[in-house]
Amino acid sequence: QVQLVESGGGVVQPGRSLRLSCAASGFTFSSYGMHWVRQAPGKGLEWVAVIWYDGSNKYYADSVKGRFTISRDNSKNTLYLQMNSLRAEDTAVYYCARDRGTVTTYHFQHWGQGTLVTVSS
Amino acid sequence: DIQMTQSPSSLSASVGDRVTITCQASQDISNYLNWYQQKPGKAPKLLIYDASNLETGVPSRFSGSGSGTDFTFTISSLQPEDIATYYCQQYDNLPVTFGQGTRLEIK
Repeated sequence: QVQLVESGGGVVQPGRSLRLSCAASGFTFSSYGMHWVRQAPGKGLEWVAVIWYDGSNKYYADSVKGRFTISRDNSKNTLYLQMNSLRAEDTAVYYCARDRGTVTTYHFQHWGQGTLVTVSS
Repeated sequence: DIQMTQSPSSLSASVGDRVTITCQASQDISNYLNWYQQKPGKAPKLLIYDASNLETGVPSRFSGSGSGTDFTFTISSLQPEDIATYYCQQYDNLPVTFGQGTRLEIK
C-alpha cells in the first residue's frame, strides 16, 4: 500500500536552513505529482509547494517563494523540501502528500504522518 | 488568492444526526473543490473530490454537493468515529487554499 514517511524535522534557529525528506513506497513514485502541505500548531492547513511527476514544473505558495525549494529524486523514491531563511512563522507540521495521478490534479490523495519543524531561538 | 470560508467553525451534534457544513469561495471555482477529514494527531484524509465524488473506501454517509461559489458537505447519520475537523480545499487557481476548518464534536 502507499506509504509516505517524512523525516528531517527538528528545532532550528531563525535564519537557518533545514531539509525535509519524504520516502515513498508502495507505488510508482516517478508517475505522480507530489506536494508539501503544512499545519501550524492548532491551525489549519496551508499548501506549500508542488512538483510534477518528472520534476519539470514546480510551484510555491507566496509565503515560501524564494526561500523553499521542492525537489525529487525518482531513482531514490524520495521527495525533498529545502527550507532556507527560516522564520518563526514557518513553525508547523510538514506533510508530504501524493497527488491522484501523473497529471497533477491537486487532490491530496495520500499523506505522510508529518514531521514537526520548530523555528525558535 | 481565493478565500474559502467554512461555516460553522465548530459544531456539536448527536450520534445519528444529519450534519451539514458549508464552504463558500470568494470567486467561481466551478467544481474544483475537495473535502478532507482530519482526526486529532493524524494526517488529513481525502473524502470527497470534485465537489461531489466519494473517494474509494469512504463510507456512503459522507456526501458533497455544489458548484460555483457555494458548496455543502453532509454526513447523513453521524457516527462516533466521525469526530474530527473537516476542511474544504479549492484547486481552481494556485495557490491551492483551504477553508479554516470545522471542528465536529459529539453532543
